[in-house]
Amino acid sequence: NAGVMQNPRHLVRRRGQEARLRCSPMKGHSHVYWYRQLPEEGLKFMVYLQKENIIDESGMPKERFSAEFPKEGPSILRIQQVVRGDSAAYFCASSPRSGGSSNYGYTFGSGTRLTVV
Amino acid sequence: QKEVEQDPGPLSVPEGAIVSLNCTYSNSAFQYFMWYRQYSRKGPELLMYTYSSGNKEDGRFTAQVDKSSKYISLFIRDSQPSDSATYLCAMSANDYKLSFGAGTTVTVRA
Repeated sequence: NAGVMQNPRHLVRRRGQEARLRCSPMKGHSHVYWYRQLPEEGLKFMVYLQKENIIDESGMPKERFSAEFPKEGPSILRIQQVVRGDSAAYFCASSPRSGGSSNYGYTFGSGTRLTVV
Repeated sequence: QKEVEQDPGPLSVPEGAIVSLNCTYSNSAFQYFMWYRQYSRKGPELLMYTYSSGNKEDGRFTAQVDKSSKYISLFIRDSQPSDSATYLCAMSANDYKLSFGAGTTVTVRA
C-alpha cells in the first residue's frame, strides 16, 4: 500500500504564477482533506472533499484558492496568482470514511512545500 | 487567542526520562482529542486518540483529557532517541475537521 502520495514534494513559484498540488489518496479511501502548515503554526484545515463533491471548504481563502477531487485521478489544490504569504507546507490526508476524529484518524501524505519567490 | 495552545518547546530530555506534553483549548465543543507525531519533512501520524474525558494508555504512551479544565496531556515513558520528533495535539467537535496545536519539538538524548 503506497500510502497517500503528494507531488511535487517541493514547488517553487514566482509571485503571480499558478501552483497546482496533487494528492492521490490511499487505495480504498474516498475522503480527502487538505491542510496548510505555516512556519511556527499548527496545521490549519482548508477543505474536505469526496469524489466530485466539496463537503466543507470553510478553511479555504475566499480568493485564488480552489480544490477538486474528480471521479478519476488525484485531488488537486490550485492556487492562482501566488503571493509570498502562500509559502507553506500543504498536507493532504485521506480516510476510508468521514472521520479524522477516530481510532483510524487520517493518513497524511508527506506534504508539498511551496515556496513563492 | 488561539483555539488550541501548545508550548512549542523545544524540549530536550535524556534517554529513559518521562516526556510530558500538554495543550489547552478554548472551544468547549471539542470532544475528540488526538496526538500526532511528525518527523522532519514528513506528514503527521496518529499516535493516540481519545473520545471525551479520561485516560488512555498504549505501550509507553498515555493520553489524558480533562474537559472541565480544557486541558490534554501526553506522557511518554522510558523515552528513546527514536521518539525525537514534533508532537502535535489535535482536537475536533465533529468527525473530520481538526484543530491542531503548533507542535512541541522533542529531542531525546542518547
